[in-house]
Amino acid sequence: GEEVAQTPKHLVRGEGQKAKLYCAPIKGHSYVFWYQQVLKNEFKFLISFQNENVFDETGMPKERFSAKCLPNSPCSLEIQATKLEDSAVYFCASSQDPGPGYTFGSGTRLTVV
Amino acid sequence: ILNVEQSPQSLHVQEGDSTNFTCSFPSSNFYALHWYRWETAKSPEALFVMTLNGDEKKKGRISATLNTKEGYSYLYIKGSQPEDSATYLCASPRETDKLIFGTGTRLQVFP
Repeated sequence: GEEVAQTPKHLVRGEGQKAKLYCAPIKGHSYVFWYQQVLKNEFKFLISFQNENVFDETGMPKERFSAKCLPNSPCSLEIQATKLEDSAVYFCASSQDPGPGYTFGSGTRLTVV
Repeated sequence: ILNVEQSPQSLHVQEGDSTNFTCSFPSSNFYALHWYRWETAKSPEALFVMTLNGDEKKKGRISATLNTKEGYSYLYIKGSQPEDSATYLCASPRETDKLIFGTGTRLQVFP
């Protein structure tokens, strides 16, 4: 499709539970990026993939966060043992070649209670 | 540390007013500046990707300019309409193409 599809739109988890978010990039786009938006519109880079390979993971918290992009499957971002401060909107973006532009999904709002 | 900054944080204007806001970024190692329009619960929508110093781009009533030597870009909206109400984000891609975002300017246009 021509849009980046993120599921679910909303996710509520109790503190300590696992959260898993999915992103289907646009077909033919080989780059996928994850961003976390917490407060005051600040979009923070988490991780990027080139196909199924991690391209840049410098924004990923060392603990509890992991991500994968496997062939023929949506990409996923998983948070083990969620904490209150993980509450945020998680955006995924994809591109054919980075630079000319990125297409964003509409985000998954994670609320940890 | 790369800082992309935007001002003002928020702006309230009347329908028909023209408005502009600023994005500043480090001028060293620059290669592009992106502008996005974002409404809550929707996807950020790409407005412009600018690369050349002195570049000016236009899309309807919205235009943007770029000064890479001094590290700033302006976004202009002519004759604001209520449907222009949104948050306008600028972002600069850096090594590995990750985007470094500003905190955005939240625009509200009153009828």
